[in-house]
Amino acid sequence: GAGVSQSPRYKVAKRGQDVALRCDPISGHVSLFWYQQALGQGPEFLTYFQNEAQLDKSGLPSDRFFAERPEGSVSTLKIQRTQQEDSAVYLCASSLGRGIYNSPLHFGNGTRLTVT
Amino acid sequence: TQLLEQSPQFLSIQEGENLTVYCNSSSVFSSLQWYRQEPGEGPVLLVTVVTGGEVKKLKRLTFQFGDARKDSSLHITAAQPGDTGLYLCAGRTSNRDDKIIFGKGTRLHILP
Repeated sequence: GAGVSQSPRYKVAKRGQDVALRCDPISGHVSLFWYQQALGQGPEFLTYFQNEAQLDKSGLPSDRFFAERPEGSVSTLKIQRTQQEDSAVYLCASSLGRGIYNSPLHFGNGTRLTVT
Repeated sequence: TQLLEQSPQFLSIQEGENLTVYCNSSSVFSSLQWYRQEPGEGPVLLVTVVTGGEVKKLKRLTFQFGDARKDSSLHITAAQPGDTGLYLCAGRTSNRDDKIIFGKGTRLHILP
């Protein structure tokens, strides 16, 4: 497919479990972003990559959150020891980057995480 | 911390009415984008504005970037039920990187 793909679409985890969320960006897109979106709110920035380099992780809420993009393509957002406040939709987006600074973000449909 | 404040948070109006949504910040942005999001989907880009004072039109939607590049507005003429959705403004914080931050959104509901 031509768009950003995220999996799983829904994830239910018991408090304390670890989860891994996957993002397949558009082929050739250099920049990849993770956002967290609470119900009825705008997306909150978590982290972003340019190729495999994580350039900014200032939005990660705690050291339980970890993101990687080892080969500059697929990215995984991992949350360890999940807490109820982690329940949200996690959105991944990619863009051309590479100095095309006004390139738009292309979003996936998100992973809805529910921690019980 | 750079913040984007959107107002109003919620707006419910009758079909055919006009409306304006605002996006404000105390910070300067190198560019500003407007996205629309439907339930269960990711946001989709509507427009990018780059130059202070710039005005862009997309059918019944008019976007304006403030002269100082700190604020923007979205005006919809003759709103239709298909305009219902969450409208998000998003700013690029620097010309040197790709980081984009979002406002909290305006949830718009157009009544038929």
